[in-house]
Formats: sequence, structure tokens, C-alpha cells
Amino acid sequence: DAKTTQPTSMDCAEGRAANLPCNHSTISGNEYVYWYRQIHSQGPQYIIHGLKNNETNEMASLIITEDRKSSTLILPHATLRDTAVYYCIVRPRTYKYIFGTGTRLKVLA
Amino acid sequence: DAGVIQSPRHEVTEMGQEVTLRCKPISGHDYLFWYRQTMMRGLELLIYFNNNVPIDDSGMPEDRFSAKMPNASFSTLKIQPSEPRDSAVYFCASSADRGVAEKLFFGSGTQLSVL
Repeated sequence: DAKTTQPTSMDCAEGRAANLPCNHSTISGNEYVYWYRQIHSQGPQYIIHGLKNNETNEMASLIITEDRKSSTLILPHATLRDTAVYYCIVRPRTYKYIFGTGTRLKVLA
Repeated sequence: DAGVIQSPRHEVTEMGQEVTLRCKPISGHDYLFWYRQTMMRGLELLIYFNNNVPIDDSGMPEDRFSAKMPNASFSTLKIQPSEPRDSAVYFCASSADRGVAEKLFFGSGTQLSVL
């Protein structure tokens, strides 16, 4: 199963775009990239997923490089409520979802 | 839909006692996952089920931990006997296999404190 690498922490000014990178250089075949976030002590929440093309929904945009070895989650206008830990996961064939340490995003007022 | 429901929300117990955590997955979901989260180890996958059958329990710490899924709408995670190092937040999650991409839906978690 492909592993992911994310920066430990990032800061972003409120109202600005937050760009969270993720490396998944060992991704293969039809493995999807998923993003989840965990706000404070709540359960992780699904944000978005993609395979090859860029994706956008009401929460965020996902940009996947052409070689699929990395991706970026974009929160277009970050708010204080977006302060959370963001996890990038490659969907395993076995359904054995392993969460790494994620990126702790702090949105600053 | 009410989402994934976990109970209790908080559990405080003494070392050596039996602890049972409960989970009701989203109706129609055929995968159920148990995770444990601590500051030191992050979010760890303990075990997951497909159609009520345990598929991978390699993340279960030791024999003191056991999980069951007697039917599609209910699962338990039991710790017997409990130890202080079991103190953590335990999350249950469920998903539906639609053959393409599926999402994990998490419950609110059970905060376990073993004194």
C-alpha cells in the first residue's frame, strides 16, 4: 500500500488560500487519493478524493500532479473553523485505511 | 441518517475492569472499522469488518482486546482487563463498498480513561 508524506504543520492567514501538500510517490494503478480532516477531538471528516483529474467540491479543491506522485488540497478562503489536522490517504486495495500523522493547519486571525 | 453512533461518549474505569465500547454503523454500510487515537501514536487502525466478518485484526494490541460484529447494525470492542495505557479515544467508522471510491464516516468517539 502506498504511503503518504505531509508537512507536520502549517499556518495560514484567515481569508487566504490554504495549500496543503502531500507526497505519495509509490501510488499505483487505480489507487485514489483521499483527504480527511479532524477538528479538535471530533472524528475525522471526509473532504474530497480524486484519481487523476483535479476535483472540486463545496469544501475544497484537489490538485493531483500528472504523474500522480503528489497532490495539493486547497481551501480557497480559509476560516478559523478550518483549523484542524488534515490527513492525506491513498485508498488501499485492502480497505486497510492507515492514517499518518497529517498536517496540523492553524488559521490565524 | 443519524451517522455512526458510538456509546458511551466517555468512560472512566479502574485498572483491571472490563470495558465495552459500542458502535452502530450507518445503515447499509458493509465495512466497519475500529480506530484508537492517542497523542503518542496518532490514529491507529485496530480491526475492520466486512459484512460482519473480521478481515484484519493485526492492529489489535494484544489478547486483552476483542471485537465482535454480531449483525450489520452493531459492533463491540471489549478490553478485559483494562490497563492505564489503554486510555485513548476510540473511534468507530463505517463505509459502503460501491465498487469505486468510498468514504469513511466516523463516529464521535469514546474517550476512555483507565485509572
